[in-house]
Amino acid sequence: RKEVEQDPGPFNVPEGATVAFNCTYSNSASQSFFWYRQDCRKEPKLLMSVYSSGNEDGRFTAQLNRASQYISLLIRDSKLSDSATYLCVVNSPGGSQGNLIFGKGTKLSVKP
Amino acid sequence: EAGVAQSPRYKIIEKRQSVAFWCNPISGHATLYWYQQILGQGPKLLIQFQNNGVVDDSQLPKDRFSAERLKGVDSTLKIQPAKLEDSAVYLCASSLEQAEVHLNEQYFGPGTRLTVT
Repeated sequence: RKEVEQDPGPFNVPEGATVAFNCTYSNSASQSFFWYRQDCRKEPKLLMSVYSSGNEDGRFTAQLNRASQYISLLIRDSKLSDSATYLCVVNSPGGSQGNLIFGKGTKLSVKP
Repeated sequence: EAGVAQSPRYKIIEKRQSVAFWCNPISGHATLYWYQQILGQGPKLLIQFQNNGVVDDSQLPKDRFSAERLKGVDSTLKIQPAKLEDSAVYLCASSLEQAEVHLNEQYFGPGTRLTVT
C-alpha cells in the first residue's frame, strides 16, 4: 500500500459544481494532514491544514477520519480558478517534524 | 515579503555531467527542504536542514547527490554525475520553526526544471 494514495483524476466539472477529493494514508501514527494546491508548472502552496474535527475555509471543507485513515476535500461552487492539482499531504511519523509525504495529486479542471 | 528564491529556473545537461542548484529561503526561516518532483508525482523530500545542520537526509541518494547550507541561510544541491532518471523539478522550501507541527507551513520556491539527456 502506498503511503499516501489519491485518485489522480482528472476531474472535469462545470462551474458551480461541488467536487470531492479523497485520500488515504498508510501510517496510523501520522499526526498532521494538509491539502496543498499546485497550479500547472508552479510550486505547491498550502491550501489548508486538516484537523480532527474537520474545518472549513470559505468554499473548501476538509475532513479527517483517523479510524479509516482517510482525508477528504470538498469544494463547493467551483470556480474556473480552482483548476489545479490538489495534493494530499501527511507527515511522516518516523521522520522529523517537517518530513511531509505528498500524494501524487488529483487534477481538477473546472469548465465554463 | 520576498518568497523562496531558486536558480537556475531551467537546466539541460547530458548524463554523467554535474549540476548545482541554489536556494535562498524566506528571511528568518530556520528550516530548509529540498524536494524532487518527477512529472506526474508529488514532491519527494530529499533533505531537510535546521539552520546549518542536517535533520533528515534518509531519502537523498548520497552516491550522487549532495547538499549543504554552510551559513544556515542559502543552500546548494548538487548532482554528480547525473542520470537520465534525475530529470525532474527540484523544489526548495522553507518554514519557520514552530512547536506545533501543523503550523509549519512550508513555502516553496518556483523550482528548477532539470532535463538530463
